[in-house]
Amino acid sequence: GNSVTQMEGPVTLSEEAFLTINCTYTATGYPSLFWYVQYPGEGLQLLLKATKADDKGSNKGFEATYRKETTSFHLEKGSVQVSDSAVYFCALSGTGGYNKLIFGAGTRLAVHP
Amino acid sequence: ETGVTQTPRHLVMGMTNKKSLKCEQHLGHNAMYWYKQSAKKPLELMFVYSLEERVENNSVPSRFSPECPNSSHLFLHLHTLQPEDSALYLCASSQDLGLRGYTFGSGTRLTVV
Repeated sequence: GNSVTQMEGPVTLSEEAFLTINCTYTATGYPSLFWYVQYPGEGLQLLLKATKADDKGSNKGFEATYRKETTSFHLEKGSVQVSDSAVYFCALSGTGGYNKLIFGAGTRLAVHP
Repeated sequence: ETGVTQTPRHLVMGMTNKKSLKCEQHLGHNAMYWYKQSAKKPLELMFVYSLEERVENNSVPSRFSPECPNSSHLFLHLHTLQPEDSALYLCASSQDLGLRGYTFGSGTRLTVV
């Protein structure tokens, strides 16, 4: 079945460091891919998405490229800020049935000044 | 304002109480979802409603009872809960069952004492 695997956290970085959070997926067909962010005490917010191979989603300095050949959608940011501290979830839309989203386990990011 | 409003934000209830969680969306979406988020566990999809019909129930105990009276409102009725039911309960909505992602509410933090 469809699934999403994310790197385990927590990821701890200093401010202005480069961020990569790995995400790989297993799916039949051609899913859409998403990154969601959850700040403390809040629900999940859509950060970026890509709907087909080689698409690059971007928002707030974050980027991720839909790589069909490696079944990956890694999240990157060139210079993180303390305010980026949150939990990040990779997700894909199912390719069969009614296309429900399938989430990874989440990766906690802590950025220190 | 995310477009999906959940009330209450916090709820403390005894194991013999009956309470309800409410979710409301005015995004014109036609699908709504309940998720449970417990500490150190992946997001758990509980229920899915599409066009006001329940299309998924992921082996959720009967002490959780969902209700979707119309496409804008979703309830989760709670009775005789257990302490392990304490969690953040998230509501989400989408158009076309997830092809373009979900919009989440801020959640209800439930504590069962």
